Amino acid sequence: GAGVSQSPSNKVTEKGKDVELRCDPISGHTALYWYRQSLGQGLEFLIYFQGNSAPDKSGLPSDRFSAERTGGSVSTLTIQRTQQEDSAVYLCASNQYQGSYEQYFGPGTRLTVT
Amino acid sequence: GDSVTQMEGPVTLSEEAFLTINCTYTATGYPSLFWYVQYPGEGLQLLLKATKADDKGSNKGFEATYRKETTSFHLEKGSVQVSDSAVYFCALTSSSNTGKLIFGQGTTLQVKP
Repeated sequence: GAGVSQSPSNKVTEKGKDVELRCDPISGHTALYWYRQSLGQGLEFLIYFQGNSAPDKSGLPSDRFSAERTGGSVSTLTIQRTQQEDSAVYLCASNQYQGSYEQYFGPGTRLTVT
Repeated sequence: GDSVTQMEGPVTLSEEAFLTINCTYTATGYPSLFWYVQYPGEGLQLLLKATKADDKGSNKGFEATYRKETTSFHLEKGSVQVSDSAVYFCALTSSSNTGKLIFGQGTTLQVKP
């Protein structure tokens, strides 16, 4: 079946602009995670959605970052007023239920802020 | 807080050599432990996992044993191939019970023919 998909695959933006990154999880997966992979910080957790529960936003690095998940499926990560340090690969993952062992990762969106 | 430390790379080996990538962790409670692999140009994939102490995860010739006494989960393979060249990440599920993963910094493995 279809895996986790993310779009765009690459995004170049100017400092100060807003960007939206999209994640389509595997159908039926109730848990969705966003991570960031950067040279300086490695792989970091950003935010977690589980069904209709309040998201765990504990990993968001600043209030410029926000995310939503509509209808329990597609998720959008928004970065406002982008900074150069936001340049990274943003990864989305999903799994079937909270605490399930394997997370399935998408290919990522490479964000470059110039 | 919970954390994972893995050996720094890059690790360069000849084909058929023995591989060990060290991983140690700090966690409250009883985390599950994972090795993920990222092949060049591809996304992260689960390589193997272990969910409780003394469990051994294995896949594609790779093995790792969950050692609670030494808080370790070292990755081993008896005979590496060029196709094993990739970045390997050790990870654990955090104690927050959300299932979020905490990753080590990653170790790049390059296998030469």
